[in-house]
Amino acid sequence: GAGVSQSPRYKVAKRGQDVALRCDPISGHVSLFWYQQALGQGPEFLTYFQNEAQLDKSGLPSDRFFAERPEGSVSTLKIQRTQQEDSAVYLCASSHQTGLGLRIETNEQFFGPGTRLTVL
Amino acid sequence: RKEVEQDPGPFNVPEGATVAFNCTYSNSASQSFFWYRQDCRKEPKLLMSVYSSGNEDGRFTAQLNRASQYISLLIRDSKLSDSATYLCVVTLSGSARQLTFGSGTQLTVLP
Repeated sequence: GAGVSQSPRYKVAKRGQDVALRCDPISGHVSLFWYQQALGQGPEFLTYFQNEAQLDKSGLPSDRFFAERPEGSVSTLKIQRTQQEDSAVYLCASSHQTGLGLRIETNEQFFGPGTRLTVL
Repeated sequence: RKEVEQDPGPFNVPEGATVAFNCTYSNSASQSFFWYRQDCRKEPKLLMSVYSSGNEDGRFTAQLNRASQYISLLIRDSKLSDSATYLCVVTLSGSARQLTFGSGTQLTVLP
């Protein structure tokens, strides 16, 4: 079946420009996560949705970052007034369960290919 | 101090070698533990979960020591296709399973 998809795969933005990154999770997956991966580092958590509810946005680095998942499926991560330090790969992941179940396998997060954002 | 620390490497080993990666985590409330693999310019993929009793999957063996807050991954008889970055990952108790990643250890298996 189809995995997690993200678009665009690559985005070049001029400093100060707004960008929108899209994530299509695996159909039926309840949980959706956004991560930011800087060059040479592991991914870092940004925000989490359970269906349409944004339950945790503690990882968003500033108020320029905004995420939504209005119908509990597709999610958009928006970055306003981009800065050079925003350059990174933005990864989306989805999982079937809410994360509170006992079976680790059903909580596995499946990652999309990421959007590589370069801010000039 | 990072929550999950790994030796960044790189590890360059010949085919057939045995290689071990280590990882420490700082939060004693960490609940679940994983090793992910990430190929160059690709997304991370789950390699294996790590259990207190230790677990093995073919050539891969993972160990967890909760008392020392230490996780390891052993790869035996390494193959060229094992070349990748190996990410140590934990989740916190009570969280929605958001993953906390180490910076990764880069492995190159040489012919």
